[in-house]
Amino acid sequence: ELQLLESGGGLVQPGGSLRLSCAASGFTFNQYAMNWVRQAPGKGLEWVSGISAAGGSPYYADSVEGRFTISRDNSKSTLFLQINSLRVEDTAVYYCAKPAVYSFDFWGQGALVAVST
Amino acid sequence: QSALTQPRSVSGSPGQSVTISCTGTSSDVGGHNYVSWYQQHPGKAPKLMIYDVTKRPSGVPDRFSGSKSGSTASLTISGLQAEDEADYYCSSYAGGYSFVFGTGSKVTVL
Repeated sequence: ELQLLESGGGLVQPGGSLRLSCAASGFTFNQYAMNWVRQAPGKGLEWVSGISAAGGSPYYADSVEGRFTISRDNSKSTLFLQINSLRVEDTAVYYCAKPAVYSFDFWGQGALVAVST
Repeated sequence: QSALTQPRSVSGSPGQSVTISCTGTSSDVGGHNYVSWYQQHPGKAPKLMIYDVTKRPSGVPDRFSGSKSGSTASLTISGLQAEDEADYYCSSYAGGYSFVFGTGSKVTVL
């Protein structure tokens, strides 16, 4: 059974850092690019970042470029998102999403990141 | 990248058909045949309903269909059912390995 399990979310002060993880199982992780998509409370979906299957090519939305770093450990079937210089507007549920080429055919349950004083 | 434009809400009675539009630009919807649609129930993760404009993943009822004309894509739900009440989001590939989502539409079954 295909599974994506995010962890690492929590309450952080503005300017702080957080590292999200997404443990994958049920598919050949190292054959797929992977993505992070976020959703602010009561708002829509926003693509944040993606990374190639081998991990050599990261991609970012303009809104997070320079503050977020995506990476992966194929030996552990795990995707990561390092978030630095957190802002209040980064408050969201962060979903790990498996792509089907140009769409996202499976999503994790999400990890809540709350940025507040 | 600006979000794709969707109507805030759409409603219909059981058995009726509803259509949700998704308007972008020549850089996203109009420039690629890679529009997808997602259904999201409250508190749940999104679920892929349509990909590559018109294709349905295995297990998605054929009541759901997609189309595109120019820079506007559409999702039609035929034979509306109570369980179809949810938020729906379109998405498009926007080049350079980037994606843009729509603003979201709430479908209400009257």
